[in-house]
Amino acid sequence: GQNIDQPTEMTATEGAIVQINCTYQTSGFNGLFWYQQHAGEAPTFLSYNVLDGLEEKGRFSSFLSRSKGYSYLLLKELQMKDSASYLCAVRPDTGRRALTFGSGTRLQVQP
Amino acid sequence: DTAVSQTPKYLVTQMGNDKSIKCEQNLGHDTMYWYKQDSKKFLKIMFSYNNKELIINETVPNRFSPKSPDKAHLNLHINSLELGDSAVYFCASSLGQGSGNSPLHFGNGTRLTVT
Repeated sequence: GQNIDQPTEMTATEGAIVQINCTYQTSGFNGLFWYQQHAGEAPTFLSYNVLDGLEEKGRFSSFLSRSKGYSYLLLKELQMKDSASYLCAVRPDTGRRALTFGSGTRLQVQP
Repeated sequence: DTAVSQTPKYLVTQMGNDKSIKCEQNLGHDTMYWYKQDSKKFLKIMFSYNNKELIINETVPNRFSPKSPDKAHLNLHINSLELGDSAVYFCASSLGQGSGNSPLHFGNGTRLTVT
């Protein structure tokens, strides 16, 4: 089976740093993705990790530990527009290609 | 613009009706998907097609029937709509071959409300 866990909600202050954690237990592993979804909009791709370590992309970084089944998304210099849901997703199988999603973490950035 | 586009954006209908949602992508991808996002925002895979061939068919009622006339289109037809079908349905596409890092690109969703 596939199980992906994330906190349901988080709150942070504008200008601060926030870390959103994701743990997964899946039948296979061929990459972990982070998506951002604003209310009423489509999910948009943020980052991809397949090897252990940190991937940095501007204000956003994503970390992966395959042995621990763990990832986090780090958002720096938070802006009000970062208020959104953040979805962790795993591609268990390259053949099927579909992503299995966690239920998402709703981040509220406060002034 | 290059994108995944789906229509309609909103769909309100009564129980028992039959409805269709259309999806088209001009990204040159050869794999397309339908996902359902429920009220708790959980995105769940329903179907996946690769080059018009069905490769994923999750536990979805037979009332749901996908159709892919070509690799750029994946439509979803729903028969005998039920209240529990109310959700947002997202179409997505990705590169089917090559490395595993091809992300899914999502359409803007179709909010289906069954009354």
